[in-house]
Amino acid sequence: SAVISQKPSRDICQRGTSLTIQCQVDSQVTMMFWYRQQPGQSLTLIATANQGSEATYESGFVIDKFPISRPNLTFSTLTVSNMSPEDSSIYLCSVEAGTSGTAPYEQYFGPGTRLTVT
Amino acid sequence: DAKTTQPTSMDCAEGRAANLPCNHSTISGNEYVYWYRQIHSQGPQYIIHGLKNNETNEMASLIITEDRKSSTLILPHATLRDTAVYYCIVRTRNSGNTPLVFGKGTRLSVIA
Repeated sequence: SAVISQKPSRDICQRGTSLTIQCQVDSQVTMMFWYRQQPGQSLTLIATANQGSEATYESGFVIDKFPISRPNLTFSTLTVSNMSPEDSSIYLCSVEAGTSGTAPYEQYFGPGTRLTVT
Repeated sequence: DAKTTQPTSMDCAEGRAANLPCNHSTISGNEYVYWYRQIHSQGPQYIIHGLKNNETNEMASLIITEDRKSSTLILPHATLRDTAVYYCIVRTRNSGNTPLVFGKGTRLSVIA
């Protein structure tokens, strides 16, 4: 398994500003994912981040709005840029852990960062 | 898009078994059925997964029909702490190619 922490746990930000969310994992992982969960909705994948390469973004999400860094195998950041009230959501970091041929590739999730934009 | 269909909500009496259905009629041969749950204000938590055989672990049992087009997650003795949104997801087992895609899930309310 993997234990994931996120900082900050919550924040209230003004529109037009940016917030960087940190994700720390207790073990080295190759695949990391960032999800968004809007109020009352399910989770939506923003991007997949491999260490040493640029993140791959899902349809509807762009790097200018959600730049991601992945400097090593235990850490990643997601920045929400030029925020508007529509960006108010929970942002979740997720990692994939498992061993090829044995345990399945399971995903584990951090506790989330609750962002409110005013 | 999610490949599964689940009821929007269900109630269950505390101490009784909770049976959560899921339809996945377009599942392909190399896709597994995964179940996760999300307790309020927390990140999703893995529960169980299966391919074609029934599976059981310390949290739940998973019953998959012979044609694999549907499955049922069983919480044998539901407690108030099991109140959560339960997500049924189909995905391949390979690394990194198929991150979890969440549908709307079933909101389970366990009632005292």
